[in-house]
Amino acid sequence: EVQLVESGGDLVQPGGSLRLSCAASGFIFSSYSMNWVRQAPGKGLEWVSYISSSSSSSFIYYADSVKGRFTISRDNAKNSLYLQMNSLGDEDTAVYYCVREDCGGDCFLDYWGQGTLVTVSS
Amino acid sequence: QAVLTQPSSLSASPGASASLTCTLRSGINVGTYRIYWYQQKPGSPPQFLLKYRSDSDKQQGSGVPSRFSGSKDASANAGILLISGLQSEDEADYYCVIWHNRAWVFGGGTKLTVL
Repeated sequence: EVQLVESGGDLVQPGGSLRLSCAASGFIFSSYSMNWVRQAPGKGLEWVSYISSSSSSSFIYYADSVKGRFTISRDNAKNSLYLQMNSLGDEDTAVYYCVREDCGGDCFLDYWGQGTLVTVSS
Repeated sequence: QAVLTQPSSLSASPGASASLTCTLRSGINVGTYRIYWYQQKPGSPPQFLLKYRSDSDKQQGSGVPSRFSGSKDASANAGILLISGLQSEDEADYYCVIWHNRAWVFGGGTKLTVL
């Protein structure tokens, strides 16, 4: 069974930093590209970042809203995905989902974790 | 103008059909994209429903009833999620998604009320 378990969400002050983790199990983690998607309270979904299965620097993408502040990374030996978030602002308050991307045929977001809540507030 | 535009809400009666639209911004041709649809219920992460590019290029999510289907309206430059035989359990938020310019782009979502 595919499982994605996020952790690291917390209350942080504006301008602060936080590192999210996602522990993956039930599939060959190193074979899949991964994404972070967030959802502000009561709002819609917003894609945050993508990292290819190889974690090559040529295949990492960010939403404009987080570019230069957030860094996605992965450790295939630990079956883990990370999101380092710096210079956090109120607009970053959201539930952050770790999402697997299935590229068996074309690529799509197939499995989602339960999410971890990040609250940016003074 | 947003890349993907969805009506914020839609209401329909049990047993009826609901057509949820996802309009692509002018200049982005719906014919060239696969459109992915997700359902999200309160307190839960989104779940993949289906993807649709054409009648020969579509895929239903695992366990998703055939009551859910996808199509396109080229004249409106829109993707469509059709839900037939509405049930109370279909009440949820629905999001369309495309892969565009090296990013996953989400529509704003449609809240479907079944009453």
